[in-house]
Amino acid sequence: GQQVMQIPQYQHVQEGEDFTTYCNSSTTLSNIQWYKQRPGGHPVFLIQLVKSGEVKKQKRLTFQFGEAKKNSSLHITATQTTDVGTYFCAGGSLGTDKLIFGTGTRLQVFP
Amino acid sequence: DAGITQSPRHKVTETGTPVTLRCHQTENHRYMYWYRQDPGHGLRLIHYSYGVKDTDKGEVSDGYSVSRSKTEDFLLTLESATSSQTSVYFCAISDSRTGPSYEQYFGPGTRLTVT
Repeated sequence: GQQVMQIPQYQHVQEGEDFTTYCNSSTTLSNIQWYKQRPGGHPVFLIQLVKSGEVKKQKRLTFQFGEAKKNSSLHITATQTTDVGTYFCAGGSLGTDKLIFGTGTRLQVFP
Repeated sequence: DAGITQSPRHKVTETGTPVTLRCHQTENHRYMYWYRQDPGHGLRLIHYSYGVKDTDKGEVSDGYSVSRSKTEDFLLTLESATSSQTSVYFCAISDSRTGPSYEQYFGPGTRLTVT
C-alpha cells in the first residue's frame, strides 16, 4: 500500500540551531500537508502545498514540495524552545479523500 | 480550535469488553475520521465518513466498526477489545467546501487502555 516515510525519527538541537525533517512518498501525491503536535496535545494543521516545486514560508518555517510531488521538507531556522513537538507530514492520496500520515519527527530543543 | 469534542477522554477496560468512543463536532463539516496513534507508527486511519451513513475503511479497520447517524456525531466501536487496541484515538474533521485542501482538524484525543 501507499507509504509515507519521514526522517529523522528524532532530533535534538541546541536553541538557535536549524532543523530539517524530510518526507518521502512511494507514490505521487495530490498535495502535502504538515502538522505539529505538542507533547500531550493533538495534531494541529500548519500548511498545505499543492503545486509541484512549491515553497511556502511561515516566519522561521520553510516548507517545500518536490518537483515530482513525491517528497517534501520542513526547515526551521534558528529553533526556539516553543518549536518543541512532533512534526508530521501527510500526503493526499490521489483520487481519494484520505491523508497518509508520515511517522513523524520528534524535535527536542535545548536552551 | 475547531469545535470537536471526544468522549471519554480516558478509559480503562478489560479484554473482551465492547467499547464505544464518541466524536462530536459543531462545525457541520462533511468528513470525519478516526485515527489511532502509536509510538513509531504515527497516525493510522481506522475508518472515515464522507456523510451521514456513508463510511469507509482505513488501513487498520480490523476489530473496529463505526456509525454516523447525524452529521455531528461519529462513533467508533471496538466490538471486543484486545490489548493491541491500547492506543490514543483521535477524531478529525474536514470540509470539502474548502476545495482540494482537505486540511483536517483534530479533537483532543481519547487514551484507551485495554488490560
